[in-house]
Amino acid sequence: AQSVTQLDSQVPVFEEAPVELRCNYSSSVSVYLFWYVQYPNQGLQLLLKYLSGSTLVKGINGFEAEFNKSQTSFHLRKPSVHISDTAEYFCAGAYNTDKLIFGTGTRLQVFP
Amino acid sequence: GAGVSQSPSNKVTEKGKDVELRCDPISGHTALYWYRQSLGQGLEFLIYFQGNSAPDKSGLPSDRFSAERTGGSVSTLTIQRTQQEDSAVYLCASRQNRQGHNGYTFGSGTRLTVV
Repeated sequence: AQSVTQLDSQVPVFEEAPVELRCNYSSSVSVYLFWYVQYPNQGLQLLLKYLSGSTLVKGINGFEAEFNKSQTSFHLRKPSVHISDTAEYFCAGAYNTDKLIFGTGTRLQVFP
Repeated sequence: GAGVSQSPSNKVTEKGKDVELRCDPISGHTALYWYRQSLGQGLEFLIYFQGNSAPDKSGLPSDRFSAERTGGSVSTLTIQRTQQEDSAVYLCASRQNRQGHNGYTFGSGTRLTVV
């Protein structure tokens, strides 16, 4: 079955430190991958997406992710986080259907 | 509208009552999705509409759940005889069409609490 796995439920980090949020997907011939962010009491906002082409994808707010086919990973990274990056982050994949399959989310907590 | 609008934003209901949750997608978006977000469970797919038809309703957890969409626009998710395990945030998303995967636009959700 198709699945998306986020290995860390919570990631604490100090402000200005780098961060990596891990995401693995079940292998498929064709998959599109997304990262969404959810701030408290808000809906999900698209951070970035991988559809095809360059495996390094840059998104909003200084985030980037790398599609790694051999490791079936799509980890999200930011070189220096801010307090305002504190939120829930969701990795999602779209296979040969119209619906997105989401991971269980990673809570990023940035401390001053 | 400018975004996906959901109402109410919060709903507290007594166990056994019926509830209706509304989603108003972005104008012109033909695809509409309902997801449920429970604590620690991530986002669970419920149902997908293309226009007024629902080609995939595989995620509806029981026959107490139903959804409809009229005029290719507003959608209503109805939960009959609510149970405490129905407590969750119900998110709606829309997309312009089914071609390509440009990601969804999500609403802010309806937080349902069954007491």
